[in-house]
Amino acid sequence: GEDVEQSLFLSVREGDSSVINCTYTDSSSTYLYWYKQEPGAGLQLLTYIFSNMDMKQDQRLTVLLNKKDKHLSLRIADTQTGDSAIYFCAEIYNQGGKLIFGQGTELSVKP
Amino acid sequence: DAGVTQSPTHLIKTRGQQVTLRCSPKSGHDTVSWYQQALGQGPQFIFQYYEEEERQRGNFPDRFSGHQFPNYSSELNVNALLLGDSALYLCASSLFGRGLQETQYFGPGTRLLVL
Repeated sequence: GEDVEQSLFLSVREGDSSVINCTYTDSSSTYLYWYKQEPGAGLQLLTYIFSNMDMKQDQRLTVLLNKKDKHLSLRIADTQTGDSAIYFCAEIYNQGGKLIFGQGTELSVKP
Repeated sequence: DAGVTQSPTHLIKTRGQQVTLRCSPKSGHDTVSWYQQALGQGPQFIFQYYEEEERQRGNFPDRFSGHQFPNYSSELNVNALLLGDSALYLCASSLFGRGLQETQYFGPGTRLLVL
């Protein structure tokens, strides 16, 4: 089946680390993505990870992939108020045909 | 390097009307995908176009149709609009192939309100 699940809300204080979690179902997915959506805007590609990797680091962002449990996480270090947004994880389904998205995690960063 | 562009940004229609949304892909991309994002939800795949043909389709009725032009731009048409069609419509472009080439980049979206 096609299902990507995320927790809906996360609230952190400025300067703390944020961890957003996601579970997916398609074990044949080759790439998994994180997108960011600010209010009233489209989706901005944040980062991706190839399915044969366990971890990928990109500046303040760290992606962890547990393929056995089909679990993906995004860690944002030193979270800033500008990081407040909705974060979507997505998997490529059927070799690039379509992206399957989770329902999004709303991150609120308090000063 | 221009990113993905969409027009119009906002649109208001009444039930039963028809609407056409437009998308220009990122420079160098040849594949366009369309998604519908209802309020508070993640985007749902409508269909994807490559070489002017529908390559894959999601679970949307035939009222939703599309087209891709030789310059790779694309249109999404929705007939007989329903209140439930109110949503943000997102266009994404990518480069046909395998692996990382198929990473999709999104435009700003068209917000459609059906009254």
